[in-house]
Amino acid sequence: SAVISQKPSRDICQRGTSLTIQCQVDSQVTMMFWYRQQPGQSLTLIATANQGSEATYESGFVIDKFPISRPNLTFSTLTVSNMSPEDSSIYLCSVEDWDVAGGPYEQYFGPGTRLTVT
Amino acid sequence: AQKVTQAQTEISVVEKEDVTLDCVYETRDTTYYLFWYKQPPSGELVFLIRRNSFDEQNEISGRYSWNFQKSTSSFNFTITASQVVDSAVYFCALTFSGGYNKLIFGAGTRLAVHP
Repeated sequence: SAVISQKPSRDICQRGTSLTIQCQVDSQVTMMFWYRQQPGQSLTLIATANQGSEATYESGFVIDKFPISRPNLTFSTLTVSNMSPEDSSIYLCSVEDWDVAGGPYEQYFGPGTRLTVT
Repeated sequence: AQKVTQAQTEISVVEKEDVTLDCVYETRDTTYYLFWYKQPPSGELVFLIRRNSFDEQNEISGRYSWNFQKSTSSFNFTITASQVVDSAVYFCALTFSGGYNKLIFGAGTRLAVHP
């Protein structure tokens, strides 16, 4: 199973600033996902990041606000730009491991980055 | 539209009670996958199970069991003889062919197990 680490684990930031979150996987993966979990809420997909192509954003999320990099098959970053208190959330990266039949076997999640914007 | 509904927002039980967490899903796809995750207070997401749409066999893993019924679009999760360590938020999730394996999560059910 993939082991995922994220940096930072938590941060407190001032409004108007930006924070870049790093996600490192211990094996090569094709697809990486970034999710947001607002306080007391469920998880919502922000974007899907494939190596060598632009990230695909879900409705309600835009590249200017959440730019994503995917320089190789084991690493990705998510930047939360021009932050406001509404961006206070847990941000999680996720990867998938396929089974031999071609279906998703498991989606592994990183430990999350707990962001508070003041 | 793809959707996962967990109607139970919070459940409170006393240790050793059995508890069932409900999950109802909507999808037009014939090939899809259902998941359960546990999120303890520490915040990490712990994978519990994956089930594909062609496998309706129920599964048991220790005190955990899952009941998948396509006829009612449900994938319910039962904890037998609950323990305090089972206290967490439990999420049901769906992914489907053509969805590039992004997960659609239900709202989650917060389970509190009291001694």
